[in-house]
Amino acid sequence: EIVMTQFPDSLAVSLGERATINCKSSQTIFYRSTDKNHLAWYQRKPGQPPKQLIYWASTRESGVPDRFSGSGSGTNFTLTISSLQAEDVAIYYCQQYYSIPPTFGQGTKVEIK
Amino acid sequence: QVQLQEAGPGLVKPSETLSLTCTVSGASISNYYWSWLRQPPGEGLQWLGHLSYNGSPKYNPSLESRVTISLDTSENQVSLHLTSVTPADTAIYFCARAHVPVTGNSPWFDPWGQGTLVTVSS
Repeated sequence: EIVMTQFPDSLAVSLGERATINCKSSQTIFYRSTDKNHLAWYQRKPGQPPKQLIYWASTRESGVPDRFSGSGSGTNFTLTISSLQAEDVAIYYCQQYYSIPPTFGQGTKVEIK
Repeated sequence: QVQLQEAGPGLVKPSETLSLTCTVSGASISNYYWSWLRQPPGEGLQWLGHLSYNGSPKYNPSLESRVTISLDTSENQVSLHLTSVTPADTAIYFCARAHVPVTGNSPWFDPWGQGTLVTVSS
């Protein structure tokens, strides 16, 4: 099973400032044959289910604001919120879909400073 | 717009079977993959398994002997059965549409149902 580790566990960022969340996989999740990283990011607001933000490590889901961006390859990935808004307060999860079972990071809580 | 709604008992006794249904609207379950996941209180998200109408199910190896996922196309529902439950199975249970890429057999998930809390206690 691939272990996904996120850091930090939580961060507090001022409104309008950048938030950066890191995710590391215990083995590569990059498929050479397709040149794709099998990684998704989700946002979970209190009382709501997870909402997918990004797949293939950097492709935004339709309707997701462009202040959210994903990057990285191989085993190291980043979710960046370029200008934090009040509605971005949530827990963010990364998830690998390279192999069965798909596994999630433990989550990073983003708050307003 | 695809919407999912989980339903089932909120309390199950130890050693019994946990049974949940997920009613899907806005899409025919015959055309996609569907999955169950859960999140125990204070813990991380765990995939239980996924299934498509014309494929064999895939289950989490840690739960494979206890979990069954099935489809009811007449009701457009996805079902979960988890046998021999213990308090460790207490969790919020989610159903979700699973997106399985052409390469590999592991999915990402979108959208998700609201989730339903199931407590295992005598």
